[in-house]
Amino acid sequence: EDQVTQSPEALRLQEGESSSLNCSYTVSGLRGLFWYRQDPGKGPEFLFTLYSAGEEKEKERLKATLTKKESFLHITAPKPEDSATYLCAVQDAYSGAGSYQLTFGKGTKLSVIP
Amino acid sequence: NAGVTQTPKFRVLKTGQSMTLLCAQDMNHEYMYWYRQDPGMGLRLIHYSVGEGTTAKGEVPDGYNVSRLKKQNFLLGLESAAPSQTSVYFCASRDRGPDTQYFGPGTRLTVL
Repeated sequence: EDQVTQSPEALRLQEGESSSLNCSYTVSGLRGLFWYRQDPGKGPEFLFTLYSAGEEKEKERLKATLTKKESFLHITAPKPEDSATYLCAVQDAYSGAGSYQLTFGKGTKLSVIP
Repeated sequence: NAGVTQTPKFRVLKTGQSMTLLCAQDMNHEYMYWYRQDPGMGLRLIHYSVGEGTTAKGEVPDGYNVSRLKKQNFLLGLESAAPSQTSVYFCASRDRGPDTQYFGPGTRLTVL
């Protein structure tokens, strides 16, 4: 059974204080690892897809990295507008019937204080 | 493009009532998914479709039915609502090639 664990559950940062969010996963065969951002009352918004260990992707103040067991979302010099819940999900290469379904973690709620 | 849209945005039902949630996408995507999101839990897959006319069960299908009569629409039905179905429901779609799922804005359902 695929499992995704995100830590910490919640993180408060001062504006400009860099940090990292962790996503550890267990999957039969990783097809892809996804990061989403979710604002209150909204649907998840796609950020990154990572496919193989060693891969990195960046977008503004965010950088996602991937190893064989975990992924990190690094936030550099965050701003209050980065406050959101960040979701991690894995796609199992062996998921049934070609569904390409995602297994999500519970998320990390990030608050950036001015 | 509107992307993925969901109607209604909010709904309150009494136990035993039925309703249908509508998901529509204008991206010509093959795959569509219904998730529920509850406090303290990750998004969980209810049902999905890999193409027009097809449906399949996800992780938590009990108490729900779905239909995909048209490629652009994916309907989620509750035949006899229960308080345990109080949740926020999200629809998502993806194309045949790329893996990214794109989500709708959600429907907040309360069952009294």
